[in-house]
Amino acid sequence: QQQVKQSPQSLIVQKGGISIINCAYENTAFDYFPWYQQFPGKGPALLIAIRPDVSEKKEGRFTISFNKSAKQFSLHIMDSQPGDSATYFCAASSWRQPRWGGSEKLVFGKGTKLTVNP
Amino acid sequence: EAQVTQNPRYLITVTGKKLTVTCSQNMNHEYMSWYRQDPGLGLRQIYYSMNVEVTDKGDVPEGYKVSRKEKRNFPLILESPSPNQTSLYFCASRGSSGEYGELFFGEGSRLTVL
Repeated sequence: QQQVKQSPQSLIVQKGGISIINCAYENTAFDYFPWYQQFPGKGPALLIAIRPDVSEKKEGRFTISFNKSAKQFSLHIMDSQPGDSATYFCAASSWRQPRWGGSEKLVFGKGTKLTVNP
Repeated sequence: EAQVTQNPRYLITVTGKKLTVTCSQNMNHEYMSWYRQDPGLGLRQIYYSMNVEVTDKGDVPEGYKVSRKEKRNFPLILESPSPNQTSLYFCASRGSSGEYGELFFGEGSRLTVL
C-alpha cells in the first residue's frame, strides 16, 4: 500500500526555471513532511521539512507548500540550477522521540528525477 | 566528522549464502533504520530501532534480521539471500535534537544476489 504518492516521476527544467514536485498522503496521523535530495552514488540528505501547522516554508530557493485539507504538499525550486539535478523524495512521518514513548512511521514517495538543463 | 558508515559498499553473492551488512554511526544517535531502494519504488523501510535492544519491523522486513546490541551499530542480516533481495541498501540514523531530528543516511550498499 503506497501511502505517499509523488509526481512527476521525472522532470526536465531549463536553468532559471521553476521546478515543482507534488506529493499526496493518505494517513492523517502523519505530522512531519520532509523532502530529501539524493545525488547519484550518495545517500539521501534532508533538504527541507514542514509541519502541518504552517502552510508554507521557505529556505533559500526551496519552498514547501502544504495543504492539510487536501492532504497534499509540494516542493518548489525557484531559479533552478544544473547543480539541483538530483532525485527528490518526499516523505511523511509520524515520529515520537524515544523519551516520549517512541514510535515511528516513515514513508517515502517513489522519487522524482530532476534534470536542469544549462 | 559526523557520519553513518556502511560496509560493504558493493557485494555480489549467491543465493542462500548468509551475509551481514554493517552500519555504524558516530553521532550517538538513538534511532537507526534500514531502507532498500529499488527503481520505481523509492525508499522502503526494512527495520528500525528506537534504542539499544529495541527493534521493530518496517514495511518490508521479510527475509531480513537486525540486532541493536550497541548504540552505534545496527547490522542488517540476510540469513538466506534470494535474488529478489538484490537492491541498494541504506542505513540511517537520527538523534534527539529538536522535536523531529534530521535523518542522516549512509552512502549505501549495493547488493547483488545471483
